[in-house]
Amino acid sequence: GNSVTQMEGPVTLSEEAFLTINCTYTATGYPSLFWYVQYPGEGLQLLLKATKADDKGSNKGFEATYRKETTSFHLEKGSVQVSDSAVYFCALPNSGYSTLTFGKGTMLLVSP
Amino acid sequence: DGGITQSPKYLFRKEGQNVTLSCEQNLNHDAMYWYRQDPGQGLRLIYYSQIVNDFQKGDIAEGYSVSREKKESFPLTVTSAQKNPTAFYLCASSIKLAGSSYNEQFFGPGTRLTVL
Repeated sequence: GNSVTQMEGPVTLSEEAFLTINCTYTATGYPSLFWYVQYPGEGLQLLLKATKADDKGSNKGFEATYRKETTSFHLEKGSVQVSDSAVYFCALPNSGYSTLTFGKGTMLLVSP
Repeated sequence: DGGITQSPKYLFRKEGQNVTLSCEQNLNHDAMYWYRQDPGQGLRLIYYSQIVNDFQKGDIAEGYSVSREKKESFPLTVTSAQKNPTAFYLCASSIKLAGSSYNEQFFGPGTRLTVL
């Protein structure tokens, strides 16, 4: 079935540093890919998505490109802020398209 | 405002008691989901429903039960058979699209259940 692997955290950065959180996937076909963000004590929010190969999703300064050659969907941001501290989840539909399969999440900690 | 509400935000129960967590959505979404999240862990799917009066087990359904009598409501009951019920519970919903396309899930704020 479809699966996703993300880098383990925590990722610790200083404010204004460059962020990359790696996500690779295994899937049948070319399903949509998602990044969600979870702030402490809250539910998940959709951060960005890409619906086909070579698509770039972007939101709030974050970007991720759907790369079928490397089966990756890495999350990047050029200059992180303290307010970006959260847990980030990569996700894709399961092989039956009945639900989403989530990565284990990567915690990002940004210090001033 | 459209969205998903979960209540209460914090819930305390004694061991051996059943407890029901509420999830309501006014997004007119067909599909609804329940996940469990433990500290430092990802999300694990408990149950999901793609249509009223029908639901399927997820990866960790043992010790839980659900009902889907109305499109907007998908309550989760944590029974006394669930060995480790203390966790953060998240409800989500999505538009169910035909064919192979798939839309994102929208999440509620979660309920933190503590069993004493």
